[in-house]
Amino acid sequence: GAVVSQHPSRVICKSGTSVKIECRSLDFQATTMFWYRQFPKQSLMLMATSNEGSKATYEQGVEKDKFLINHASLTLSTLTVTSAHPEDSSFYICSARDYRVGNRETQYFGPGTRLLVL
Amino acid sequence: KQEVTQIPAALSVPEGENLVLNCSFTDSAIYNLQWFRQDPGKGLTSLLLIQSSQREQTSGRLNASLDKSSGRSTLYIAASQPGDSATYLCAVMYNQGGKLIFGQGTELSVKP
Repeated sequence: GAVVSQHPSRVICKSGTSVKIECRSLDFQATTMFWYRQFPKQSLMLMATSNEGSKATYEQGVEKDKFLINHASLTLSTLTVTSAHPEDSSFYICSARDYRVGNRETQYFGPGTRLLVL
Repeated sequence: KQEVTQIPAALSVPEGENLVLNCSFTDSAIYNLQWFRQDPGKGLTSLLLIQSSQREQTSGRLNASLDKSSGRSTLYIAASQPGDSATYLCAVMYNQGGKLIFGQGTELSVKP
């Protein structure tokens, strides 16, 4: 199956700093990528939908100025958590939609990035 | 509001047992439903995808059923093994290419 990678897998930062997380589709082009957040023992909550070459669409309640999303190429989307605070500590997971014929409904998930803000 | 609920939240069974995980959704007009597996601290692995026109899908020891009219899906795991221990998530999609709405997951522990 298709592979999606995330980098870094784990990051610890001080409060007030910004953190960038990368999501890459390794063997397919992804015009659409999704960013999710997962708190301990809870499910995945969609934060935003990232479309290549256009602005991301954010879910209600997600601050677009705090969670900056850039989808500059067909294989890379980045999520930047600006001025991170302890409450932003979470597990961030991206997924990418494979638009090849027969796979258009399939989202492939990255391994996740664990963010800890001290 | 479109919501997905999974019960139980956690389940512990001895090895070899057959088990059923439940998923319910409030809006029955789904496009498809998917079951995922998540190991601790890891991403998601897709197990089965059921289109709205289908009643069930099977893969090895896994069988997922879908009853749109009642807003329910079940994931049946036969002859459970310790390696099946993980969190199982169900997610629904309401439009082709739309977003996935996830349930809270069922944390499964299979004891040797």
